[in-house]
Order: sequence, then C-alpha cells, then structure tokens
Amino acid sequence: AQSVTQLDSQVPVFEEAPVELRCNYSSSVSVYLFWYVQYPNQGLQLLLKYLSGSTLVKGINGFEAEFNKSQTSFHLRKPSVHISDTAEYFCAVSVTDKLIFGTGTRLQVFP
Amino acid sequence: EAQVTQNPRYLITVTGKKLTVTCSQNMNHEYMSWYRQDPGLGLRQIYYSMNVEVTDKGDVPEGYKVSRKEKRNFPLILESPSPNQTSLYFCASTPGDRNYEQYFGPGTRLTVT
Repeated sequence: AQSVTQLDSQVPVFEEAPVELRCNYSSSVSVYLFWYVQYPNQGLQLLLKYLSGSTLVKGINGFEAEFNKSQTSFHLRKPSVHISDTAEYFCAVSVTDKLIFGTGTRLQVFP
Repeated sequence: EAQVTQNPRYLITVTGKKLTVTCSQNMNHEYMSWYRQDPGLGLRQIYYSMNVEVTDKGDVPEGYKVSRKEKRNFPLILESPSPNQTSLYFCASTPGDRNYEQYFGPGTRLTVT
C-alpha cells in the first residue's frame, strides 16, 4: 500500500529566506507525486506534479520539487519566500486515480 | 469558468438530522471524490466515483452515502450525522484520462452538535 509522510507539521521561516518542505512516500510500484497548497479558508490548489520525465519539477509561485526515486522523496523548495506563501502544504501520491495525502505542513512566513 | 462547486459552505446541524452536501463540476470529468480534512490527519477519501452509477468506498466511508446519477453531480449524504463527523469536507474531480490532477471545491465546514 502507498503512504505519504510529511515529517514537519509546522515550518516557521522569515520572509525572503529559503524553505524546504519534506515529503517521503512508500510504494512498491511507480507513483505520481503532487504538491497542493491550501490558503486560509480556501480549497486545495495544485502547486506542481511529477508524472514522468525530468526529476526537477517547477510549479506555480516560484516553487519547485525534486523527485528522488532512491530516497523515495519529493521535497518542495522555494529560494525566497513571501508573506503570501503562508499556507498549508500537502504532499500526495497517486497510483491510479486515487490520491493519498500526507498530513500537511503549515508554512508560516514572518516579516 | 471551470470549477467545482459545493453547497452549503457552512452547516451546523444536530445529531441524527439527515443532511446532503451537494457537489457539481462543469468540466465533464469522469472521476469524482469526497474527502474529509481533520487536523493532524490530512485529507482522507470518503467515497469516489469513476463514472455515472459507479461508486466505491474510500478509506473512511462509515456513516456516509453517495450517489452519481449524473456526470456533473456527486452529492454526499449523511443519513444520521454524529459529532465525530464534524469536519471540513472537500469534493474533487479529475478527468480520468491518467492526468491524475484533482480539482477541488471550496470546502464545506460541517458542525454536528
């Protein structure tokens, strides 16, 4: 069975600092990987996805993630965060049409 | 505008009073899902539907029902709500053509007292 682990429940960071949100998955088969963002009082919005090809994936709002098959990881990074990046971030894995989510990481950006 | 809509957005009800949360998508997607979001647990799938008249249980189906009579609509039914169903609920849809990207509705916050 597939599972997703987000090790950090909260990540506090100052504005303009770099950030990395960690995601590890377990699966015995090839998977598709996603990062979603949830701004306060809103639904989930797709940040980026890895289906195949280049292991470095670029998404919206300056975020990127790298698929590492040997380490079964899909960490999300941004070189310089803004206050507006404050949100909850969810990593998810899909084998078929079903998405399995991690428990989320709350990114809090301070001025 | 391509979107998934849910109604109501907020609902407070009492134990045992049947309720329905509606979900509709205008993207002609085949696959639709319901999730609940709880603090520290992320999103968990309740039910999903791969097409009209085809539904199946997700990870936490107990206490919920769904139907898929039309492609665009996928209502979530709580026949006898209980306080442990207090949660934030999301409907989502995906094309079903191996795209796997899910489009989410704005959420319904349900409180059962």
